[in-house]
Amino acid sequence: AQKVTQAQTEISVVEKEDVTLDCVYETRDTTYYLFWYKQPPSGELVFLIRRNSFDEQNEISGRYSWNFQKSTSSFNFTITASQVVDSAVYFCALSEADNNDMRFGAGTRLTVKP
Amino acid sequence: DVKVTQSSRYLVKRTGEKVFLECVQDMDHENMFWYRQDPGLGLRLIYFSYDVKMKEKGDIPEGYSVSREKKERFSLILESASTNQTSMYLCASSLGLRGLQETQYFGPGTRLLVL
Repeated sequence: AQKVTQAQTEISVVEKEDVTLDCVYETRDTTYYLFWYKQPPSGELVFLIRRNSFDEQNEISGRYSWNFQKSTSSFNFTITASQVVDSAVYFCALSEADNNDMRFGAGTRLTVKP
Repeated sequence: DVKVTQSSRYLVKRTGEKVFLECVQDMDHENMFWYRQDPGLGLRLIYFSYDVKMKEKGDIPEGYSVSREKKERFSLILESASTNQTSMYLCASSLGLRGLQETQYFGPGTRLLVL
């Protein structure tokens, strides 16, 4: 069985602070895919990143960065210099290559205050 | 840009009613998905479809059925709505090369209240 844990239910920061959203996953597969999605107040999930299990390079996209560590089964997401527009619920998700299933974490609600 | 639309943003139904939730995508995607989102549980997969007239059960198919008669349209059906089906329902689609391993594009969601 696969499982995704986002232990932080809610995080509140002040604008310009850096913030890291944690994601820990469990899987027995060697080939799997990890995702992060953002859900702003409008409700529509927006894709942020997809990473396969063989690519452990960290990724940076503007103020966003992701740290993938297979040794700790974690795929953490950091927002640098947070902005009010970053306020949303963020979901981490896992899909195994040989399994017709997709598992989302419970989500982390990030509030960035001005 | 991929566009996934859902027929209603908000819906109020009574227990026992038959409910149809419609989803349409305009990018010729092969795969379509239905999820429900509940506080503290994240998104849970109800059903998905790899092709017209094809369907696969997800994590929580009980109480739901689906229909995919055309490639662009995927319907979720609650045969007899119950109060525990009050939830946010999200539809998604993906290109179709790698099934659930692909990036999914989501609609805005339908918030269903069953009284």
